[in-house]
Amino acid sequence: NAGVMQNPRHLVRRRGQEARLRCSPMKGHSHVYWYRQLPEEGLKFMVYLQKENIIDESGMPKERFSAEFPKEGPSILRIQQVVRGDSAAYFCASSSPDRGRYEQYFGPGTRLTVT
Amino acid sequence: DQQVKQNSPSLSVQEGRISILNCDYTNSMFDYFLWYKKYPAEGPTFLISISSIKDKNEDGRFTVFLNKSAKHLSLHIVPSQPGDSAVYFCAAIGGAGTASKLTFGTGTRLQVTL
Repeated sequence: NAGVMQNPRHLVRRRGQEARLRCSPMKGHSHVYWYRQLPEEGLKFMVYLQKENIIDESGMPKERFSAEFPKEGPSILRIQQVVRGDSAAYFCASSSPDRGRYEQYFGPGTRLTVT
Repeated sequence: DQQVKQNSPSLSVQEGRISILNCDYTNSMFDYFLWYKKYPAEGPTFLISISSIKDKNEDGRFTVFLNKSAKHLSLHIVPSQPGDSAVYFCAAIGGAGTASKLTFGTGTRLQVTL
């Protein structure tokens, strides 16, 4: 299966701990996006990355959140000192716009619960 | 500021009939539009897209119509099937030709009844 992979699927953290969410894009895709879906809401853009570069982080909270997409390995969304309001589903998507296709393909998501 | 709006939170349609899901947008910079389908506890699945240079795109049972002057698009599903029951999200990209973030609507829950 060459789809977008995310792990873990479910993550439980206590307030103040760190959460690390991983995303491997579809084969051949070099653009990665992270979105967050709060309960009963639509998906909200967080950050857009290419290998070793953050292209657009306009949707990222200013503190505690960071993202990377290293030359080797998956993209990581890191949330430090989690709070209850961080509880949400986090989705990663990838695309290949250099091939003229702008559709983004999503992974199954990581459901973060902060207790 | 909700730039992409789906004003119907839910829709119920009988199997075999047409489902019409609507979406309005306010940002005139949007020039590429997509529809996604989402089941509970899964990621959104891409259905169909349309560029602003077109007014219609068809793929099997799914057709998307775009009315640029009204800033309105719709997704038609015909015939509707029980497996189509899901939440449908409209999304938009500004500046096609450049990779960019998706701006999503809040979704419409479609239920296809027997």
